[in-house]
Amino acid sequence: NAGVTQTPKFRILKIGQSMTLQCTQDMNHNYMYWYRQDPGMGLKLIYYSVGAGITDKGEVPNGYNVSRSTTEDFPLRLELAAPSQTSVYFCASHTGRANYEQYFGPGTRLTVT
Amino acid sequence: ILNVEQSPQSLHVQEGDSTNFTCSFPSSNFYALHWYRWETAKSPEALFVMTLNGDEKKKGRISATLNTKEGYSYLYIKGSQPEDSATYLCAFKGSQGNLIFGKGTKLSVKP
Repeated sequence: NAGVTQTPKFRILKIGQSMTLQCTQDMNHNYMYWYRQDPGMGLKLIYYSVGAGITDKGEVPNGYNVSRSTTEDFPLRLELAAPSQTSVYFCASHTGRANYEQYFGPGTRLTVT
Repeated sequence: ILNVEQSPQSLHVQEGDSTNFTCSFPSSNFYALHWYRWETAKSPEALFVMTLNGDEKKKGRISATLNTKEGYSYLYIKGSQPEDSATYLCAFKGSQGNLIFGKGTKLSVKP
């Protein structure tokens, strides 16, 4: 199993540009998550999904959109990039069962200038 | 707003020292407590998922305890090694909702 994969690993965007961060998992997990990690702030939940066709906002959803057309894929869209979105983005997946951990992707480091 | 607090924020120890750090979380509506190990430039990896009050889990030199009634968990590392250097995250899951992460404890182990 590849686990959770994310692309790209790094990206530099200009203010106002758009991009999609890709996330794929091959573990047949229903639950998928997008987090951002800012220095000294820990992991903040942006959006999550409990299954294909179902998405919901997390703690910091403004400026982002998601879709979940398949179990495997959970892309995160930035429509009008702003400097405040400079961060490291992690995708994660989970079975949904209580005793199981989340599996994280390798992260995408995004800089908006 | 649910809060998960970790202390200390950072810790510097010598190789061979034993160390421990704390995670505090809400004591109501408890469902699970996760511990993750996060090395620089990598992604978080799960150490433990704990669900029962009084739970103790162990993986090699690392162990954790859980007190859901008072809302805390301790992570212990016995005989720290340089390769233990990482940020240790805890995350609380209530009976409704997603994981809420603490800010982590950054451990540096000097040879």
